Amino acid sequence: EAGVAQSPRYKIIEKRQSVAFWCNPISGHATLYWYQQILGQGPKLLIQFQNNGVVDDSQLPKDRFSAERLKGVDSTLKIQPAKLEDSAVYLCASSPMGQGAQPQHFGDGTRLSIL
Amino acid sequence: DQQVKQNSPSLSVQEGRISILNCDYTNSMFDYFLWYKKYPAEGPTFLISISSIKDKNEDGRFTVFLNKSAKHLSLHIVPSQPGDSAVYFCAASADDKIIFGKGTRLHILP
Repeated sequence: EAGVAQSPRYKIIEKRQSVAFWCNPISGHATLYWYQQILGQGPKLLIQFQNNGVVDDSQLPKDRFSAERLKGVDSTLKIQPAKLEDSAVYLCASSPMGQGAQPQHFGDGTRLSIL
Repeated sequence: DQQVKQNSPSLSVQEGRISILNCDYTNSMFDYFLWYKKYPAEGPTFLISISSIKDKNEDGRFTVFLNKSAKHLSLHIVPSQPGDSAVYFCAASADDKIIFGKGTRLHILP
């Protein structure tokens, strides 16, 4: 079974620039998550999709972050414009259905550095 | 407001001995607890979970204990092996939301 694929692995941009990350979840997984992990912290949920609908985006800074999952499969997360505090690893995860007993499968993440 | 707390940033254990990682939580509505393991430059991988209605779950060398009255859970690894050196995240789930602790870095010493 192929795992969660993310690209790019690394990205360096200057503040105020824009950046986009891509995620392809495990085939058949209905639920997709984007997390932000700042150095020394645990992953923090940004947005959760169930198929192509948003379940939870309460912690997504909507003035600069956006995400979509148009066909209920792969997803993109965009930051525009980037700020210094956005430097983090952005993790994508998927699970067969919602949270709880279903463990999530994580990709290896995109490490974003803002100069 | 940290709902899931891992108060030990790091832990060193001799190879072959028992590793015990601790986690405290504040929300009594959490219904599942999970442990994830993370190697550098990789995403977290699921290790073991426990339902709030149980007090112990075992899988090979890994055992998770849950003490609901104390709002405390622990992960026991025995015997510890060099490949167990990683960051371990405690996570808790309620209402389809999952919250992670800050992690504990485990070093297995030769």
